[in-house]
Amino acid sequence: DIVMTQSPDSLAVSLGERATINCKSSQSVLYRSNNKNYLAWYQQKPGQPPRLLIYWASTRESGVPDRFSGSGSGTDFTLTISSLQAEDVAVYYCQQYYSTPITFGQGTRLEIK
Amino acid sequence: EVQLLESGGGLVQPGGSLRLSCAASEFTFSSCAMSWVRQAPGKGLEWVSGISGSGGSTYYADSVKGRFTISRDNSKNTLYLQMSSLRAEDTAVYYCAKDHGGMGAGLWYFDLWGRGTLVTVSS
Repeated sequence: DIVMTQSPDSLAVSLGERATINCKSSQSVLYRSNNKNYLAWYQQKPGQPPRLLIYWASTRESGVPDRFSGSGSGTDFTLTISSLQAEDVAVYYCQQYYSTPITFGQGTRLEIK
Repeated sequence: EVQLLESGGGLVQPGGSLRLSCAASEFTFSSCAMSWVRQAPGKGLEWVSGISGSGGSTYYADSVKGRFTISRDNSKNTLYLQMSSLRAEDTAVYYCAKDHGGMGAGLWYFDLWGRGTLVTVSS
């Protein structure tokens, strides 16, 4: 199974500042034949289901604000929120879909400083 | 409105069984692979099982293999999860989730989630 490890576990950032969350996979999730990274990011607010933010490591889902961006390749990935808004307080998860079983990172809790 | 609505959760004793349902609305259900993802209280997300759009291919996490069965009825736009030999560690909110791909075979990332149904395994 591919193990997904996020860092940090929790993060406090001031409003308007940049937030960066890292995700590392135990093996590469880059599929060479199509040069795509099988990596997604989700946001989960309290009492709500997860919301898809990013797929293919860097493609923003429709309706997601452009302050959210994803980067990385192979085994190391980053979710960046360029200018933190109050509504971005949530837990963020990365997920690999390179192989089953599908696996998620443990989550990163983002708060306002 | 495009949505997923889970039902069937509740309190069950260890060793018992339960069947969850997920009713889909306003999208071509038969074209979409579907999954169940669970979240234990205060914990992270765990993928449980997935099924292709036709129902011909199914996949399970090792933690539930042999105890849970995923299925679907495309004529009723409904996804199911039959759970048996339930354990305390199966206690969680169970979400059904729609695959982002619409070609039947799963891409296995999820663009639509239901609100979830709580399963509590306790004596």
